[in-house]
Amino acid sequence: AQKITQTQPGMFVQEKEAVTLDCTYDTSDPSYGLFWYKQPSSGEMIFLIYQGSYDQQNATEGRYSLNFQKARKSANLVISASQLGDSAMYFCAMRPYNQGGKLIFGQGTELSVKP
Amino acid sequence: DVKVTQSSRYLVKRTGEKVFLECVQDMDHENMFWYRQDPGLGLRLIYFSYDVKMKEKGDIPEGYSVSREKKERFSLILESASTNQTSMYLCASSPFSQRDQPQHFGDGTRLSIL
Repeated sequence: AQKITQTQPGMFVQEKEAVTLDCTYDTSDPSYGLFWYKQPSSGEMIFLIYQGSYDQQNATEGRYSLNFQKARKSANLVISASQLGDSAMYFCAMRPYNQGGKLIFGQGTELSVKP
Repeated sequence: DVKVTQSSRYLVKRTGEKVFLECVQDMDHENMFWYRQDPGLGLRLIYFSYDVKMKEKGDIPEGYSVSREKKERFSLILESASTNQTSMYLCASSPFSQRDQPQHFGDGTRLSIL
């Protein structure tokens, strides 16, 4: 069965420090994409970063980077220099390419940034 | 920018009512999706659609139906609302053929069934 697991229900980080949010996935499909979304308390889902299963390099978008380890089936999100505005729920999601675009989401990690 | 608009941010209905949640996107996307979000469970797919009048069941379709009469509009219907359908509902859209494109989400509807 295809599944995304986020094992950290909640995390704290000090402002300006880096933090890693864990994500592991399970799939037998050879082709897939991995996405991270941020959900502030207001509720909207904000796309952060994407990694394709055949991409050779780890994805980066500003302060966000994705530590992709295909053999371990992990796709951890690294946020550098945390800001107070980074406090939110973070969701990891997988898109198997043979299933028409739907996403499979993890349970989410609630990140709190301390001043 | 892609805009996905859900008709209500907050909605309160009574048990047994027929409830309609509306979603409209303005980017001519083929794919549209309905999810529900519950604490500790993440987002779970209810239904999705690849094209007008097309629909596919997701992981938790029981108690729901959908309608897609126009490409830009995807409606979620609770045929006879029950208290266990109290949840946050999120609509999303994406282009059909671009694998690396993310789904774009609406702001969500917080639905309470009393």
